[in-house]
Parts: sequence; C-alpha cells; structure tokens
Amino acid sequence: KQEVTQIPAALSVPEGENLVLNCSFTDSAIYNLQWFRQDPGKGLTSLLLIQSSQREQTSGRLNASLDKSSGRSTLYIAASQPGDSATYLCAVRPNGDYKLSFGAGTTVTVRA
Amino acid sequence: NAGVTQTPKFRVLKTGQSMTLLCAQDMNHEYMYWYRQDPGMGLRLIHYSVGEGTTAKGEVPDGYNVSRLKKQNFLLGLESAAPSQTSVYFCASRDGTPEGYTFGSGTRLTVV
Repeated sequence: KQEVTQIPAALSVPEGENLVLNCSFTDSAIYNLQWFRQDPGKGLTSLLLIQSSQREQTSGRLNASLDKSSGRSTLYIAASQPGDSATYLCAVRPNGDYKLSFGAGTTVTVRA
Repeated sequence: NAGVTQTPKFRVLKTGQSMTLLCAQDMNHEYMYWYRQDPGMGLRLIHYSVGEGTTAKGEVPDGYNVSRLKKQNFLLGLESAAPSQTSVYFCASRDGTPEGYTFGSGTRLTVV
C-alpha cells in the first residue's frame, strides 16, 4: 500500500523567502506525481504534474523535482508572497492504476 | 461557470440518519471520484466511476454507496450515518488527461 508523507505539516515564513515543501512515498512504481493547492473552504487546484520519466517541472515561480528511486519530490516556491498561503498536497498515481494516493499536506503561511 | 458543484455545502446529521450528497459536473468528464478529508490525513478515495452506469470501490468504501445514473451526476449515499463519518467530502471529475482533475469545494458533514 502506497504511503505518502509530507513534512513539515505546517510552515510559516516571511514574505520574499523561498519555500521548500517535501513529499515522500514508499512505493517507487509510480506513473506520475502531482502537486495540488488547497485554499481554506475550497477544493484542490492542480499546480504541477511530473511524469515518472521526468526529473522536474516548472511553472512560473514553482518548480517541482522528482527522485523516483529514493521516493521523494520537492516543491520549491520562489520569492514567496502572502497569496501563496494555502495547504499544498502531493499525490502519486501508481503504475497500472489511475487512483491517487494523497499526502496530508503542508500548510503554508507567508507573513507580510 | 463550468466546474464541479457539490450539494449541500454543510450538513449535520444524527447517528443513524441517512442522506445523499450530490456532485454535478458540466464538463462532460468520464471519470468521477468521491474523497473524504480528515485532519492530519490525506484525501482518501471512497468510490469512483469511470463512466455513466459504472461504479467501483476505493480505499474506504464501507458505510457508503454511490450511483452514476447520468454522466454528469455522481451521488454519494450514507444509509445509516455514524460519528466516524464526520468529515469533509470532496467530489472530483477528470477528463482523459492525467492532470485534468477538477475538484468541488467540498461538503462538511458532522454526525452527532
């Protein structure tokens, strides 16, 4: 059974600082890994998806890396802004399946 | 606006009562999912559907039933609610792409 862990559970940084969010998974036989953002009282919004054959994916200030062999992914958010305050979840999709396994998320607060 | 709509947004039930959560999407997506989100845990898949008239069990299906009589609707039923079913329930739909998930804004259910 795939276990997905996100550490830390919560993070508070001053505006302008770079954010580093970690995700680890126990079964390296994944098809892809996806990072989502969740705002309070809202659903999830997809941020980045990394295929198992990729090492990283970038979108604007966001960069996600994937090391499948070690079961790790990292989401970097450059020059954080108060609007980046949210909960960030990672989810992995296993080979041969389309059901996602989610981590519990990291709640980020960016202080102005 | 196109998207996933969940009804109701909030509900309080007494133990043993029944209810149905409605998820509606207007994007013609084939795949639909019901998740629950509990504090400190990732989203867990309850049931899912790969097309009209189909349903399948996810990770935590016990105590829930689902139906997908129409492509645009995915219903989640609780026949006899228990306090352990207190949670936030999210519906999602997906197009044919790996990253094409659209989540609803959630239903917060409390069973007393």
